[in-house]
Amino acid sequence: QQQVKQSPQSLIVQKGGISIINCAYENTAFDYFPWYQQFPGKGPALLIAIRPDVSEKKEGRFTISFNKSAKQFSLHIMDSQPGDSATYFCAASMLWNSGNTPLVFGKGTRLSVIA
Amino acid sequence: GAVVSQHPSWVICKSGTSVKIECRSLDFQATTMFWYRQFPKQSLMLMATSNEGSKATYEQGVEKDKFLINHASLTLSTLTVTSAHPEDSSFYICSATRDLRGFTLHNEQFFGPGTRLTVL
Repeated sequence: QQQVKQSPQSLIVQKGGISIINCAYENTAFDYFPWYQQFPGKGPALLIAIRPDVSEKKEGRFTISFNKSAKQFSLHIMDSQPGDSATYFCAASMLWNSGNTPLVFGKGTRLSVIA
Repeated sequence: GAVVSQHPSWVICKSGTSVKIECRSLDFQATTMFWYRQFPKQSLMLMATSNEGSKATYEQGVEKDKFLINHASLTLSTLTVTSAHPEDSSFYICSATRDLRGFTLHNEQFFGPGTRLTVL
């Protein structure tokens, strides 16, 4: 119930295309869904995050779509660029918590944007 | 704001020695820091949760006597890998959560750049 399932494992997209990465979760108590971007040899960087009270959040070329009933959320990268080539991790957790609930990470998607 | 640093960025050591990795929150106070390890092409695996002034909480399967965690202040946590072996070679990453006017936004985590440990 603590798992977050992420797909695909790897993705190749043409420059200018749309990259789509999907995640699904089981724990209905999760209320915070961030996406992290990681370049080789670097730590993950928060890209964009969403709470379940909205169905979509957009920041520049990055959009999160959230489907609460299906317990799924996805990352869309519009106009994908070679510089977007990285590993993307979805995660889930409870944002406000009296304890220290760690993030549950998906297994990651390696995105390659080719010219 | 919300910058987390790690030191060293990479370290090579001999088998049997101990290595200390520092994690600092540079511009905010972090009541909670998390330590992860990441093997090549894999996801982050949580090792332990570190709270300032108290003992760390280790995940199942992580040896607390081997991976010593100290959270001495609101801006510093250290991970010491004791008696390191080649199988401990990995990428170690810390993250911190930030206090916000008395509330802690748990899990709005800010990650450090990671430390590459190679044990020969």
